[in-house]
Amino acid sequence: AQSVTQLDSQVPVFEEAPVELRCNYSSSVSVYLFWYVQYPNQGLQLLLKYLSGSTLVKGINGFEAEFNKSQTSFHLRKPSVHISDTAEYFCAVSRLSGNTPLVFGKGTRLSVIA
Amino acid sequence: GAVVSQHPSRVICKSGTSVKIECRSLDFQATTMFWYRQFPKQSLMLMATSNEGSKATYEQGVEKDKFLINHASLTLSTLTVTSAHPEDSSFYICSARLPGQGSTGELFFGEGSRLTVL
Repeated sequence: AQSVTQLDSQVPVFEEAPVELRCNYSSSVSVYLFWYVQYPNQGLQLLLKYLSGSTLVKGINGFEAEFNKSQTSFHLRKPSVHISDTAEYFCAVSRLSGNTPLVFGKGTRLSVIA
Repeated sequence: GAVVSQHPSRVICKSGTSVKIECRSLDFQATTMFWYRQFPKQSLMLMATSNEGSKATYEQGVEKDKFLINHASLTLSTLTVTSAHPEDSSFYICSARLPGQGSTGELFFGEGSRLTVL
């Protein structure tokens, strides 16, 4: 079975400051890793994903994440946040084979302060 | 990207009644859809995997008779909460991938349906 831990439930940050949202996972098998964002009153949208290859993955809206196999982490970063980045961010994993569902972390609420 | 739409977005019902939530893939066919439940400040918990033309696969602890899932066509899956009680109040979200996409593919999510049982 897989599990995902997002260590911070809420992260307040000032506008234009950098941010890191932490994600650790546990799995007995190899997994794919994802970050989704949920804006208020909207469905979840894919930010980025790691499947294989380079451990640094770039996504939309200036976000990037780095896969660290030894630490079983997949932290999300952005060098300079905007007010519009205020949202709920979810880290998720899936098994490698088949049309399988995602297993999500509890989410991190990013609040960008002007 | 692909569009998944849910209806209704919000529903309030009395305890003991049944509520149906629809999930549609608007511009693609989805043989498989996933239903999640999200509690406030908590993760999305997978409830069941809906398969077109066959029975849904429920996660451990999810009552099959309470949460009826029907996937009668390639673009529509429905979740019916039967004899709803206040503890069933939650945010229900469906999702699906494009045809032929395995686990590397993006999961597209509906906007969610907030159920409040009085």
